[in-house]
Amino acid sequence: QKEVEQNSGPLSVPEGAIASLNCTYSDRGSQSFFWYRQYSGKSPELIMFIYSNGDKEDGRFTAQLNKASQYVSLLIRDSQPSDSATYLCAVNMRGNKLVFGAGTILRVKS
Amino acid sequence: GAGVSQSPSNKVTEKGKDVELRCDPISGHTALYWYRQRLGQGLEFLIYFQGNSAPDKSGLPSDRFSAERTGGSVSTLTIQRTQQEDSAVYLCASSPLGSSYNEQFFGPGTRLTVL
Repeated sequence: QKEVEQNSGPLSVPEGAIASLNCTYSDRGSQSFFWYRQYSGKSPELIMFIYSNGDKEDGRFTAQLNKASQYVSLLIRDSQPSDSATYLCAVNMRGNKLVFGAGTILRVKS
Repeated sequence: GAGVSQSPSNKVTEKGKDVELRCDPISGHTALYWYRQRLGQGLEFLIYFQGNSAPDKSGLPSDRFSAERTGGSVSTLTIQRTQQEDSAVYLCASSPLGSSYNEQFFGPGTRLTVL
């Protein structure tokens, strides 16, 4: 089992729809969880992080965390073509190292 | 303020040569990380520096790879006797002092091509 798992996609959604990106992790002791966006040929950009169970909202983005299920998700409301990118889930494990998932490719079609 | 900077942005080298990649973290950030990202793949942790503590080198793939951080700021990743499999984007990230959550901010990366 990989430490951080994401569906590779691509996930295709129409413009204006909600995109739902999912991530599971193996280390039950993990404390903080991050979503990064990476455009093709660019470096990862931090979108948001979450550390408490429940939802955290920032603009069109909502991160959801369920530690009992070892599951974290990112919802993007009113998806725009400019949201098309690879979304990386990262989990803070074992001494301040982030372990990254392989990423989910999101395509928003206009 | 200024973000993480890396140089060079691109490096083409011949197999067997040594290369040095530089990272300048965000001012005041005490933690510095190096990652490798091969084409179409995820981020692979290489090494982590935190303040004056001994670095965590557990991700370095071979003894051809080394890194240092001088004065708690700028870091250099050195790859000796480069191989074609070393071709990748090398990313540096830094994290703020006192952060409990370890949010990391990435530089633009150095694209290394070994011919």
